[in-house]
Parts: sequence; C-alpha cells; structure tokens
Amino acid sequence: AQKVTQAQTEISVVEKEDVTLDCVYETRDTTYYLFWYKQPPSGELVFLIRRNSFDEQNEISGRYSWNFQKSTSSFNFTITASQVVDSAVYFCALSESGAGSYQLTFGKGTKLSVIP
Amino acid sequence: KAGVTQTPRYLIKTRGQQVTLSCSPISGHRSVSWYQQTPGQGLQFLFEYFSETQRNKGNFPGRFSGRQFSNSRSEMNVSTLELGDSALYLCASSLGVANTEAFFGQGTRLTVV
Repeated sequence: AQKVTQAQTEISVVEKEDVTLDCVYETRDTTYYLFWYKQPPSGELVFLIRRNSFDEQNEISGRYSWNFQKSTSSFNFTITASQVVDSAVYFCALSESGAGSYQLTFGKGTKLSVIP
Repeated sequence: KAGVTQTPRYLIKTRGQQVTLSCSPISGHRSVSWYQQTPGQGLQFLFEYFSETQRNKGNFPGRFSGRQFSNSRSEMNVSTLELGDSALYLCASSLGVANTEAFFGQGTRLTVV
C-alpha cells in the first residue's frame, strides 16, 4: 500500500532563512507521481509541483526547489529566503499509475510559520 | 480560466440529517475527486468520478455517496450525519490521466452539531 510520511509537523523560521520540508514515500509501483501542495488559511490546496518516478532531475522555480531521490524514497522541498507569505501547511502526495484512477495519498502535512 | 468551484462554502447541520455538496470542475476536466480533511486523519480520499462513472472509492461507509453529471459537475451526499463527519470537504478536478496534476477548490466546511 502506498504511504507518504512528513515527519515534521510544524516548523518555524525567521524571514529570509532557508527551510527544507521532508517527504518520504512508500510504493510498490515502478511508475508513480509525486506532488507538493500548499494550503494557505483559506483552505484551497495550491498545486506546486509534479514529478514522475522516471525523472530524478531536481527542479528550481524561483525561491522553491525540489530534491527527488529514488534511492531514499524522498522528495524534499526547499524554500530559499523564506517570506511571511510562505506561511502555510505544505502537503506531499503520491499517485500510483496502476490504480486505474486518479487518487492522491497525502502526508499529514507540515505547518510552516515564517516570522517577520 | 475559471477554477474549481465548490458550494456551499460553509454548512451547519444536525446529527441525523443529510447533506449535499457540489463541485464544478475546471472546463475540460472529466475527473472529479473528493477528499475529507480533518485534524486527526488529515486528507483522506473519498471517491473519484470520471465521465459520470465512479472509478475508485476510499475506505468510507456507505453513508458517503456521490455522482457526476454529463457536464462533469459532481455532487457528494452524506446521509445520517454524525458528529465525526465534521470536516473540510475538498473537491479536486483533473484531466484524469496519469502524470497530470489535480486542482482543488476552496472546500466546503461542514459542521455537524
């Protein structure tokens, strides 16, 4: 069965610090997809990135970067020079290709607080 | 283009009642999934509809049901409400094929009293 673990429940950083959010996943599929979502207080889950299991290239988008390592089943997310607007709950999620449907398994989320 | 629209945003119901939540997906998206979010259990998958057919169902009792219409709009229904059904219900819209992302609505906050 698929599983996603986000060991960090809450993190607080001072503005402009870098912060890394950890995500470890379990799956028996060889083809799968990993996602990060951001949930601000308004409640809506905002899509940040998708990565498939065949693409281990790291990705950078502005202040955001993602490190995907199949060897350790991890898909970590780093925010560089954090800002107050980054305060939110961040979810890592997994989707398996063989399920025949579109279903996301989420981690419990990491609440990030950026203090001015 | 318009995002995912969920109505209503907030609901207060009494135990034993039933409730219907609505979700309008992004135009062109044929898949609608529903998730329940609670502080204790986190985000849990309820079911997915694709082209009016339920394609997958999570581990929830039969009191939770849904349907999808020909225009891809979806409704979910919870009958005989229990206090534990209080949650944020999120709808996700996608193309419904692998390697695509899901886009979420703002959710319906259901409170059962």
